[in-house]
Amino acid sequence: AQSVTQLDSQVPVFEEAPVELRCNYSSSVSVYLFWYVQYPNQGLQLLLKYLSGSTLVKGINGFEAEFNKSQTSFHLRKPSVHISDTAEYFCAVSPLNEGYQKVTFGIGTKLQVIP
Amino acid sequence: DGGITQSPKYLFRKEGQNVTLSCEQNLNHDAMYWYRQDPGQGLRLIYYSQIVNDFQKGDIAEGYSVSREKKESFPLTVTSAQKNPTAFYLCASSIRPGNEQFFGPGTRLTVL
Repeated sequence: AQSVTQLDSQVPVFEEAPVELRCNYSSSVSVYLFWYVQYPNQGLQLLLKYLSGSTLVKGINGFEAEFNKSQTSFHLRKPSVHISDTAEYFCAVSPLNEGYQKVTFGIGTKLQVIP
Repeated sequence: DGGITQSPKYLFRKEGQNVTLSCEQNLNHDAMYWYRQDPGQGLRLIYYSQIVNDFQKGDIAEGYSVSREKKESFPLTVTSAQKNPTAFYLCASSIRPGNEQFFGPGTRLTVL
């Protein structure tokens, strides 16, 4: 079984400042990693994913994440946030093994961008 | 445009009633999922289906039922046995289990 820990439930940040949303995971097998964004009263939208290859992954809306296997982390970063980035962000992990691969989601981090 | 639709967006139910939430996808995805979202608890898996005519219980299946008679459709019934059904329900699909999931806009269910 795998688990995902999002270390911050809420992150306030001023507009145009950088932000990092932290995600750690545990798994006994190799994994796929995902970040999703959810705006109020909407479904989740994929921001980016790590499947293999380069550990630095670029996604939509200027976000990027770095996979660190030794620290089992997949932190999400943006160098300069905008008001429209205010949303809830979910980290997710999917194990690379045969059979049904259950995706496990973190409990989410609410990003509040302050004007 | 391809995507996932859920209906209705808002649903009100009286205690003791069964209600069915609709989920349709035209992405030709094999796998479909139902999640329940409550504040501060993230997403919890109710049921999933890897292929037509097959589905499995997730982590919180009690009080819910599903069917998968067509590849495009995966309706969720919230039965009167579900003790606390008020929540935001999300349907998702993926081309294969474990791949990135595409989500619908959600249905907010309120029990009166």
